[in-house]
Amino acid sequence: AQSVSQHNHHVILSEAASLELGCNYSYGGTVNLFWYVQYPGQHLQLLLKYFSGDPLVKGIKGFEAEFIKSKFSFNLRKPSVQWSDTAEYFCAVTIDAGGTSYGKLTFGQGTILTVHP
Amino acid sequence: GAVVSQHPSRVICKSGTSVKIECRSLDFQATTMFWYRQFPKQSLMLMATSNEGSKATYEQGVEKDKFLINHASLTLSTLTVTSAHPEDSSFYICSARAGTGVQPQHFGDGTRLSIL
Repeated sequence: AQSVSQHNHHVILSEAASLELGCNYSYGGTVNLFWYVQYPGQHLQLLLKYFSGDPLVKGIKGFEAEFIKSKFSFNLRKPSVQWSDTAEYFCAVTIDAGGTSYGKLTFGQGTILTVHP
Repeated sequence: GAVVSQHPSRVICKSGTSVKIECRSLDFQATTMFWYRQFPKQSLMLMATSNEGSKATYEQGVEKDKFLINHASLTLSTLTVTSAHPEDSSFYICSARAGTGVQPQHFGDGTRLSIL
């Protein structure tokens, strides 16, 4: 079965600092990759996704992620964080089984990002 | 955007009580709905997948007689925790997806269940 690992449980940054959150998955086949964000008191929201094509994907609010197949990684980046980016971030994968998969998400443990003004 | 409403947001009840949680897709038809459970400081763990009009598919280790899932319409799925005990206390989250295949899921706000 596939698994997802996020390296950092809690990251603390000051505003304007650059962000990179690590995500690695274990599965040898084709995967679809997601980053979700959960702001305090809110539901999970999709930040960005990778299905195929350009391995560098851009999402909402200035976030981007790069899929490196050889490293089984899908790290999330933002060049300059804001206080409003304080949230919990989840990496997730689904296995692409030729369209027959119902797209069950396997989540990482989550990374809490705290941005100080 | 796609909105998923989950109700109630918080439940506190006595051991032995059965608790029903509703998950509704407000502005789209949800062919598939998912139920997750999240323990403190841990990831969301998928409990079951339900397709409208079909029996739910449970993940390994999830008791189907304990966690009853009904997906009777394209906009509503319910999770009933039967005879709940303190170890069932957790955060339960539903998500819904339109269509089949690999599509993003839209999440509800979650239900905090506390069993005394």
